[in-house]
Amino acid sequence: GENVEQHPSTLSVQEGDSAVIKCTYSDSASNYFPWYKQELGKGPQLIIDIRSNVGEKKDQRIAVTLNKTAKHFSLHITETQPEDSAVYFCAASLTGTASKLTFGTGTRLQVTL
Amino acid sequence: NAGVTQTPKFQVLKTGQSMTLQCAQDMNHEYMSWYRQDPGMGLRLIHYSVGAGITDQGEVPNGYNVSRSTTEDFPLRLLSAAPSQTSVYFCASRTTGGVLDTEAFFGQGTRLTVV
Repeated sequence: GENVEQHPSTLSVQEGDSAVIKCTYSDSASNYFPWYKQELGKGPQLIIDIRSNVGEKKDQRIAVTLNKTAKHFSLHITETQPEDSAVYFCAASLTGTASKLTFGTGTRLQVTL
Repeated sequence: NAGVTQTPKFQVLKTGQSMTLQCAQDMNHEYMSWYRQDPGMGLRLIHYSVGAGITDQGEVPNGYNVSRSTTEDFPLRLLSAAPSQTSVYFCASRTTGGVLDTEAFFGQGTRLTVV
């Protein structure tokens, strides 16, 4: 089955700096890569996703890049703010009715003032 | 819309007790799933369902049962709780229309402690 590795496990940045979280996946057939943000005491919430026919996607301060050849994808957050502090999860799956999301182990991002 | 609702939010069980974690969604999603979240291990899939009457095992199904009698509800049953089942449990749902995966919506979670 699919295996997703995520690094780093913790990341501390100063407000205004950029943050980058990286993930690698094992199944070359995976073609959907979402990123979830989990705030304390809450369930994960989708912040951005990318499909295998796209190399990069942006949404305001958040961007995701995908390198299918190397089987890795990354989350980039620019101009970080204190409210970006949370745990971030990457995931991978094959699209289809019975596809299953496989999650990375999470990155705890701390944005300091 | 309430989205995905999980009950209870917190639960303490004694070893060997049974209980059911409830999950309901009001988005008419076909696909529902249960995950457990443990420190340093991310979210691991327990069971999932692609529609009423259809369920299948995920990565860590042992010790858990599920059923899907309606589109809205997907309860998770612990038949004989063990300390290893101490975890935070999340239910999620999404639509599976067509060939494209879509956003999974998660509930708020149930924090279960087995003593």
